[in-house]
Amino acid sequence: DQQVKQNSPSLSVQEGRISILNCDYTNSMFDYFLWYKKYPAEGPTFLISISSIKDKNEDGRFTVFLNKSAKHLSLHIVPSQPGDSAVYFCAASGVYSGGGADGLTFGKGTHLIIQP
Amino acid sequence: DTGVSQNPRHKITKRGQNVTFRCDPISEHNRLYWYRQTLGQGPEFLTYFQNEAQLEKSRLLSDRFSAERPKGSFSTLEIQRTEQGDSAMYLCASSNRGEKLFFGSGTQLSVL
Repeated sequence: DQQVKQNSPSLSVQEGRISILNCDYTNSMFDYFLWYKKYPAEGPTFLISISSIKDKNEDGRFTVFLNKSAKHLSLHIVPSQPGDSAVYFCAASGVYSGGGADGLTFGKGTHLIIQP
Repeated sequence: DTGVSQNPRHKITKRGQNVTFRCDPISEHNRLYWYRQTLGQGPEFLTYFQNEAQLEKSRLLSDRFSAERPKGSFSTLEIQRTEQGDSAMYLCASSNRGEKLFFGSGTQLSVL
């Protein structure tokens, strides 16, 4: 059972435009959500996070939105740049959700391709 | 802060052989995690240590897998009698209480 779902395996966006990556979750025990970025042959690197007590968090070009009632979050990147081309993983954690004290449950990832 | 270090970066082995991977977490982090990632999937939790105590194991961790963190610093993950299905990237991550996980670059295992 996939508790964190990223339904778009890939997304192609023109440079300078907005990239929107989506994520849905099913476990209501999740209370902290993160986005990680991964380049080939490297480990995931942290991008941005949001607590369940908020509905928006912004960091430079990156904004994460959380809709708890819909169990949905999204990552907005604006403007998109060529260096943003990577696989983006949505991840979630919660006190009783398993995977260790701060452990994460990941989605399958979305491959973002920024076209010049 | 030198980050999470994993060795080796790549390992090719024959089916049936044993392999061992090492992870050196960020020095002040007391929590250490092992994840496995296969093609087209996100990282999947394997096991978790708080200091030297192994507190949680996933059902993915069969009897052929064992992890240790003997002095609460570095950790090793051993796979005995490797199978082709063990081919994956093995990721180590560390954290302090309530903070985000920092990942290493991973060990890519290929079982022939």
